[in-house]
Amino acid sequence: KAGVTQTPRYLIKTRGQQVTLSCSPISGHRSVSWYQQTPGQGLQFLFEYFSETQRNKGNFPGRFSGRQFSNSRSEMNVSTLELGDSALYLCASSLGEGAGTDTQYFGPGTRLTVL
Amino acid sequence: AQSVTQPDIHITVSEGASLELRCNYSYGATPYLFWYVQSPGQGLQLLLKYFSGDTLVQGIKGFEAEFKRSQSSFNLRKPSVHWSDAAEYFCAVGPLNRDDKIIFGKGTRLHILP
Repeated sequence: KAGVTQTPRYLIKTRGQQVTLSCSPISGHRSVSWYQQTPGQGLQFLFEYFSETQRNKGNFPGRFSGRQFSNSRSEMNVSTLELGDSALYLCASSLGEGAGTDTQYFGPGTRLTVL
Repeated sequence: AQSVTQPDIHITVSEGASLELRCNYSYGATPYLFWYVQSPGQGLQLLLKYFSGDTLVQGIKGFEAEFKRSQSSFNLRKPSVHWSDAAEYFCAVGPLNRDDKIIFGKGTRLHILP
């Protein structure tokens, strides 16, 4: 079974621009979660989507948004980029059946650099 | 409040030596517990998980972890490390219901001396 894939792997943007990142979950997985990872803050939860609905949201400004399609693929969008948005963005997929038995499987991440 | 603490930011061990990475959690009930590993520039890979039953859990790559309810700990161990084990290790506590989310520790970076 193919793992979680994320595209692109690397991105360089300038302040004020917007960016869209894509995540394809493991086949059969219905939940996709997004995380931002930085050296200072570690792994921070952005949001989770399940069956095209946002099920959970972290403490990020409204510039960060996401969506999930009927095939469970997910995209996240960051508008009006700031220097502090430079990070590794990780996507994780799971069956989405709830609770801790729902192990998350991570993609390799998208490295975003904002200049 | 729910939290996960990994007290050691960096740990250095010699190749062939034993390893123990600490993880303590604060949760309203016994949570589901995970250890992940992240190699440089990569995503996180699941090493092992604890849901219930035997408190000593075996994982991949020769790792094991022991759940101790009385100490709210879930420490990761390996009897003999290899240079390829150099990475960052994350402990995480899983939600007990669908509306909660998984919480990760800040991570412990493991360095291996030749």
